[in-house]
Amino acid sequence: GDSVTQMEGPVTLSEEAFLTINCTYTATGYPSLFWYVQYPGEGLQLLLKATKADDKGSNKGFEATYRKETTSFHLEKGSVQVSDSAVYFCALSYTGANSKLTFGKGITLSVRP
Amino acid sequence: DGGITQSPKYLFRKEGQNVTLSCEQNLNHDAMYWYRQDPGQGLRLIYYSQIVNDFQKGDIAEGYSVSREKKESFPLTVTSAQKNPTAFYLCASSRGTGGHTEAFFGQGTRLTVV
Repeated sequence: GDSVTQMEGPVTLSEEAFLTINCTYTATGYPSLFWYVQYPGEGLQLLLKATKADDKGSNKGFEATYRKETTSFHLEKGSVQVSDSAVYFCALSYTGANSKLTFGKGITLSVRP
Repeated sequence: DGGITQSPKYLFRKEGQNVTLSCEQNLNHDAMYWYRQDPGQGLRLIYYSQIVNDFQKGDIAEGYSVSREKKESFPLTVTSAQKNPTAFYLCASSRGTGGHTEAFFGQGTRLTVV
């Protein structure tokens, strides 16, 4: 079946550090890929998405590129802020009857001033 | 404002009781989902519905039940058969079967068995 694997956490960085959060997937077809973010005590919000190979999603300084050859969708940001502290989830989904989202386990990011 | 609303935010249940978690959306979305979140486990799909009066089991449906009588509403019942119900429950909705479409999440309900 389909699955999403995220790097182990938690991750702690200093403000303005470079961020990489790894995400790889196993899929039987050609899914769309997503990064969602969860701030403390809240639900999830879509951060960015990519719907086909080589697409780059970007939002709020975060970027991720859909790499079919390595089945990866790593999240990056050049300079993190304290306000980026949250839990980040990588996910995949398909078009059609099986449109449910499959999530990775999530990783907690803490950014210290 | 359009959105997805879960209630209550906190819920306490005695062992052996059934409880129902509410989820309402005014986004005119066809698809709705229930996820369970546990520390270190990520989000696991309980049930989902892609159209009114129809729903499918997710990965961990045992001990849960749902209904989808209206497009706007997708309540989840946690039954006494659920062995370990203490968790954070998230409801989501999306436009439908387009895999590239965004899912919108509610604020969640934290259920505690006492």
